[in-house]
Amino acid sequence: LAKTTQPISMDSYEGQEVNITCSHNNIATNDYITWYQQFPSQGPRFIIQGYKTKVTNEVASLFIPADRKSSTLSLPRVSLSDTAVYYCLVGDPNNNAGNMLTFGGGTRLMVKP
Amino acid sequence: NAGVTQTPKFQVLKTGQSMTLQCAQDMNHNSMYWYRQDPGMGLRLIYYSASEGTTDKGEVPNGYNVSRLNKREFSLRLESAAPSQTSVYFCASMLGGGAGETQYFGPGTRLLVL
Repeated sequence: LAKTTQPISMDSYEGQEVNITCSHNNIATNDYITWYQQFPSQGPRFIIQGYKTKVTNEVASLFIPADRKSSTLSLPRVSLSDTAVYYCLVGDPNNNAGNMLTFGGGTRLMVKP
Repeated sequence: NAGVTQTPKFQVLKTGQSMTLQCAQDMNHNSMYWYRQDPGMGLRLIYYSASEGTTDKGEVPNGYNVSRLNKREFSLRLESAAPSQTSVYFCASMLGGGAGETQYFGPGTRLLVL
């Protein structure tokens, strides 16, 4: 199974930039890296996805080094509403179809006033 | 377009009772998934269905069965509920094979087994 490793928790303050790093040493050639956000009592929702280098959307940026063994989710100028659990996800390298996606424990981000 | 819907939203069972959790999606997705999430923990994959007519075990399949009734619906059955199955169950769907695609999640079913 593909495994990801993330910090269990992080604290930040409103207005700061937050960077959450995920390690995925067994990422497969065709795998993409996807980040999800989960609020309490809700299902996860998609934030951003990338394959290599840098991806940016209206919510976040994703930085992926050349070896793709890690990735960093960057949240600019966080607000209290960004308090959530953030999951890094990659496809299972042992599954050629890439259909089996495994969530790790996630990172609990607490944004303080 | 409702996305992914789950029923029921909440259920209380006694040990040994059975029940089926229902999931449906209206996005014409091929792949569907069932996860469980215990309090304060991440999501763990129970079963998945890569396409209509196929199902496969995930990380924690023991005590569960699934049925991919058609392309839209994917149900999860607990034949004999145990307190260890108290959890929040999420259904998800995805268009295809995983690479370069994203999952869409339902609102969850909260199950309490006494």
